[in-house]
Amino acid sequence: GQNIDQPTEMTATEGAIVQINCTYQTSGFNGLFWYQQHAAEAPTFLSYNVLDGLEEKGRFSSFLSRSKGYSYLLLKELQMKDSASYLCASLDSNYQLIWGAGTKLIIKP
Amino acid sequence: DTGVSQNPRHKITKRGQNVTFRCDPISEHNRLYWYRQTLGQGPEFLTYFQNEAQLEKSRLLSDRFSAERPKGSFSTLEIQRTEQGDSAMYLCASSLLAGTTDTQYFGPGTRLTVL
Repeated sequence: GQNIDQPTEMTATEGAIVQINCTYQTSGFNGLFWYQQHAAEAPTFLSYNVLDGLEEKGRFSSFLSRSKGYSYLLLKELQMKDSASYLCASLDSNYQLIWGAGTKLIIKP
Repeated sequence: DTGVSQNPRHKITKRGQNVTFRCDPISEHNRLYWYRQTLGQGPEFLTYFQNEAQLEKSRLLSDRFSAERPKGSFSTLEIQRTEQGDSAMYLCASSLLAGTTDTQYFGPGTRLTVL
């Protein structure tokens, strides 16, 4: 079967660093996406990894290990506006996204 | 082009009524997706088009749901005889499948409330 696992909720402090983990099992694999979704808004694209390693984009970085079926999203210098849900999604062999339920990130001052 | 647009943004209807939503994708994108999302869940795939062809429809999707993309540009999603369980956010996304990359960009969604 196809499955994406990520924690339901995480809490972090403003200015700190947080790592959101995601494990995936999908039929075929064509890459791993991270999206950010603020309450009552649509998901917005953050990152895409298809090769092993770390991709850095400003305060956000995303890591992939294909052999372990594992990814993480690293957020540095947390700001209050980073409070949102973070969705992990795997692109399967049919180029369809298989979505996790999202990790709700709560930032405290 | 400013991105994917969806209309209406909100729809309140009574149980048993039909509703239709529209999605206008990013102009050069060849793929268009419809998802449904409820609180605390990730998007649930409904159907997708490549150009005007509907390539896949979720097996979980009732026959009350139908989607079209007649000219390979905008798409409509119709729900017939709505039920309270249809209340959700309906999201449209578009992408340009090029090589092995297919990044989906989402519209703002249509929030449906069935009374």
